This record gives sequence, C-alpha cells and structure tokens, in this order.
Amino acid sequence: KAGVTQTPRYLIKTRGQQVTLSCSPISGHRSVSWYQQTPGQGLQFLFEYFSETQRNKGNFPGRFSGRQFSNSRSEMNVSTLELGDSALYLCASSLGPGQGSYEQYFGPGTRLTVT
Amino acid sequence: AQSVTQLDSHVSVSEGTPVLLRCNYSSSYSPSLFWYVQHPNKGLQLLLKYTSAATLVKGINGFEAEFKKSETSFHLTKPSAHMSDAAEYFCVVYSNTGKLIFGQGTTLQVKP
Repeated sequence: KAGVTQTPRYLIKTRGQQVTLSCSPISGHRSVSWYQQTPGQGLQFLFEYFSETQRNKGNFPGRFSGRQFSNSRSEMNVSTLELGDSALYLCASSLGPGQGSYEQYFGPGTRLTVT
Repeated sequence: AQSVTQLDSHVSVSEGTPVLLRCNYSSSYSPSLFWYVQHPNKGLQLLLKYTSAATLVKGINGFEAEFKKSETSFHLTKPSAHMSDAAEYFCVVYSNTGKLIFGQGTTLQVKP
C-alpha cells in the first residue's frame, strides 16, 4: 500500500497570503488529522476529519481551516499568513473511530516558510 | 486529561550500547500509548503501540517498550544502538477526545 502523501513538500509564502496544503491518506483510511510542528511548541494537533466532517479541533485560530473530500483526501488552508505560521505541517491517516485501532500513519510533511 | 512527559530531552549513547528513552504518562483510564520516531526532515514513523493486550510490546528495528501501570511509565529500550537510530523519538498517548497527544520529544545521539 502506498503511504500518506502530502503536497507540496516545501512552500515559501509572504505574510498576509494564504496557502492550501493537500494530504492523501492510505487507501482504506477514512480519518485524516493535521498537526503543526515547530521547534518551540513541538507537535500540536490542528484538526481531524472523518467522513467529510470535522471531528476534533485543536486550539488554533480560525485562520486555520480544513476540509475532507468524499475520497478521504484532505486539504488544510491557512489564511492571512503570519511569520509564526512557519512550521512543518504533518498529515496523518487512520482507519477512523470505532475501527479498534488508534494508530495514525504520518506523511512526510509540508515545510511552510513565511517571510 | 491525558498527557505524556518525556523525562530526557537529549540522550547520548555509544554504538552497540543499550538505549533507554523514558516516558511517563497520565491518564484516568487504561491508555493507548505509542512511540514514534522522526529522522531529520522526515515525517513520523510508528515504532510500536500498546493497546492493553501485552505489557511488553515489541516494535520495529529491535525496539521494545514495557507498560508499567504502577509506575505510569512506558519506557522505550533497545539492547544495542545503531548509528541509524539517531533521531528524535516521541512518546504519544491517544486521548479520549480522539486525538494524539505528543511528548516534547527526546533526541537520541549515537556516537561511533
């Protein structure tokens, strides 16, 4: 099975712009979670989508949003970028709630740099 | 609320010597616990998981971890370190709200 894929791998944006990141989960996985990783804050949960519905949300401002499509692929969007949004954004897929397995499988991440 | 604490931010060992990365957890119920590894500029790879079946869990690349309820610990060990083990390791608990909660990470350095 192919693993979790994320595009693009690297991105450079300017303050005030917006950005969209994409994630394709492992085939058969219906849940997609997004995390932000920074040296200062470590790994922080952004949100989780299951069956096209946001199931969980972390403590991030409304500038961070996401969605999931019927094929389980997910996108996250960050509007009005700030310098502090520079981070590695990781996507993880799992079977989903009620499937008896909680482990998540991570993609390689998208490195976002805001200048 | 669930949480994990990794007791060492940095561990240095010599190649061929044992590895011990320490993790304590806090949970009001029997937790699901994981160890992930992250090599530089890579995503996270699942090393092993504990889901209440057996307290000694074997993972990939010779790693194992023991769940000790009395000590609320889930330490990661490997009998003999290899240069390729140098990476950052995360202890993770699955929360009852359906998200993973990560420790702050332990950087493992392996010296030749």
